[in-house]
Amino acid sequence: NAGVTQTPKFQVLKTGQSMTLQCAQDMNHEYMSWYRQDPGMGLRLIHYSVGAGITDQGEVPNGYNVSRSTTEDFPLRLLSAAPSQTSVYFCASSYSAGQPLHFGNGTRLTVT
Amino acid sequence: SQKIEQNSEALNIQEGKTATLTCNYTNYSPAYLQWYRQDPGRGPVFLLLIRENEKEKRKERLKVTFDTTLKQSLFHITASQPADSATYLCAPKSGYQKVTFGIGTKLQVIP
Repeated sequence: NAGVTQTPKFQVLKTGQSMTLQCAQDMNHEYMSWYRQDPGMGLRLIHYSVGAGITDQGEVPNGYNVSRSTTEDFPLRLLSAAPSQTSVYFCASSYSAGQPLHFGNGTRLTVT
Repeated sequence: SQKIEQNSEALNIQEGKTATLTCNYTNYSPAYLQWYRQDPGRGPVFLLLIRENEKEKRKERLKVTFDTTLKQSLFHITASQPADSATYLCAPKSGYQKVTFGIGTKLQVIP
């Protein structure tokens, strides 16, 4: 099993550009989530989903959109990138909400 | 507001000794608390979960305690090895469907 797969591993964007961070899991997990990790701030929840067709906001949702059309995929969209969105982004999934999370290895995003 | 505190400074320990990491939380009462390990450039990996009605949980060389009165969890690694060097994150369940992470403590085991 591949677990949680995130692509790309690295990305550089200019301010105002848009992009989608991809996340896929092959464990048939209902719960999926996106975190960002910044030095001194720890992991902060951006958006999460408890199942296909259901999404909700986390702690820091502004500037990000998500959708969940299938159980396997949970893409994160940046509509207009800002330097404040420079961070490492992690996707995580679990069997159900609150269960131990399985993380991908992250996408390192730099916005110039 | 809810707050999670872990030693932000690195913890250096001699190989073979017991490492003890602290996680304190304020302004909420988590039903359970998880501990994760994170290596540089990788995502966190789940280690242990302890529930509010459990005082202690063990897994091989790892031991976690949970004191709901002190609002504190302690994470112990006995007979520490250089391979245990990593950042360890505590994650109390902060609310419905949400797990909140501390900033982590970096452990360095010196041979």
